[in-house]
Amino acid sequence: NAGVTQTPKFQVLKTGQSMTLQCAQDMNHNSMYWYRQDPGMGLRLIYYSASEGTTDKGEVPNGYNVSRLNKREFSLRLESAAPSQTSVYFCASSENTGLFEKLFFGSGTQLSVL
Amino acid sequence: AQSVTQLDSHVSVSEGTPVLLRCNYSSSYSPSLFWYVQHPNKGLQLLLKYTSAATLVKGINGFEAEFKKSETSFHLTKPSAHMSDAAEYFCVVSFTGNQFYFGTGTSLTVIP
Repeated sequence: NAGVTQTPKFQVLKTGQSMTLQCAQDMNHNSMYWYRQDPGMGLRLIYYSASEGTTDKGEVPNGYNVSRLNKREFSLRLESAAPSQTSVYFCASSENTGLFEKLFFGSGTQLSVL
Repeated sequence: AQSVTQLDSHVSVSEGTPVLLRCNYSSSYSPSLFWYVQHPNKGLQLLLKYTSAATLVKGINGFEAEFKKSETSFHLTKPSAHMSDAAEYFCVVSFTGNQFYFGTGTSLTVIP
């Protein structure tokens, strides 16, 4: 039972380079999320997709774009990476959006921007 | 403003002694509340959630939390710490169901 799978696990970029973080879930969940985790700041929501075909901004969307490719996959793109985007990125999914929904997390992508 | 505050960034306990991790929220509404745990180099895992059915919520691995509306608190407790409990713990609140707001985390160290 794979759950939420993120690739890659580690990535080093130079300032200005672009890349896409991939996320896939096999639980038939409707909702998917991208978070970043920085020391002393907890997790902050970048973008979310409440259902296939919809995406919405979270707390910290600047510098990122997302694509909900289909129900399973939700990708995060950095068009021009900046050192401030050095972080650990987590993808998560939930059955639906709702007050009591449980989030299922991937194992994270550690990104360094030099 | 709506937010969640974890009062301690680090907590150290001896194995076999009680654990208390503190969380307060601020909201004009009744939120949903969660505790998640993150072991080193792992994703987050749900420990427990408050759904308004009962103020005392039991979770996995012997953890429980009590929702106190008058104190706007949702503290996490465990009667007896185990070495495997060493991890980062996050209090999470949701007000709308679309977004979940994470506290800054509490790192729990368990001393043998």
